[in-house]
Amino acid sequence: DGGITQSPKYLFRKEGQNVTLSCEQNLNHDAMYWYRQDPGQGLRLIYYSQIVNDFQKGDIAEGYSVSREKKESFPLTVTSAQKNPTAFYLCASTAGPGSNTQYFGPGTRLTVL
Amino acid sequence: GQQLNQSPQSMFIQEGEDVSMNCTSSSIFNTWLWYKQDPGEGPVLLIALYKAGELTSNGRLTAQFGITRKDSFLNISASIPSDVGIYFCAGQGPAGANNLFFGTGTRLTVIP
Repeated sequence: DGGITQSPKYLFRKEGQNVTLSCEQNLNHDAMYWYRQDPGQGLRLIYYSQIVNDFQKGDIAEGYSVSREKKESFPLTVTSAQKNPTAFYLCASTAGPGSNTQYFGPGTRLTVL
Repeated sequence: GQQLNQSPQSMFIQEGEDVSMNCTSSSIFNTWLWYKQDPGEGPVLLIALYKAGELTSNGRLTAQFGITRKDSFLNISASIPSDVGIYFCAGQGPAGANNLFFGTGTRLTVIP
């Protein structure tokens, strides 16, 4: 089945540790995105990538890093520099230029203790 | 980044009632999208609108792209319990880069 997968569903980490969230898609989509969602709020863009080996900062990139070495994968690292990392993280993808309909993965809930 | 003004923030309705929610923006958008999110899950696309004035239906859902290109609404007719969730609007401006701006969501509760 085609789609976007995120793993794990729930993640717990100690304060001060870096953690990497996985996002994989087999839709052959060019563009991928990471969003953060806090309770009762909308989605805020962290990073996006329109093509392999290229990515841009979104609205709240500080304390996060990404890589795009393969078309189907766009992992997000939450670093210790992120002041308030506990949140629900959503990955999305689109087919690329000319297509602006984003499809979302199931999300990863990160809790930093 | 820009966030859209979505209203109402929450709604409590009886099963069978119709529902209406809307989004407004200070900027012109080329595309409006409506998503539904269940608790702990990713948003699921309901309806996509690509042209000003466009009216599109998906079952009991109907959405319209405002003529001014600065607003959109979503209607749900004859609500059922599984309509419960958070509904988000999203818009894409002319700047490209596939970036979407999201509304703050409307939380819908359907009382059986």
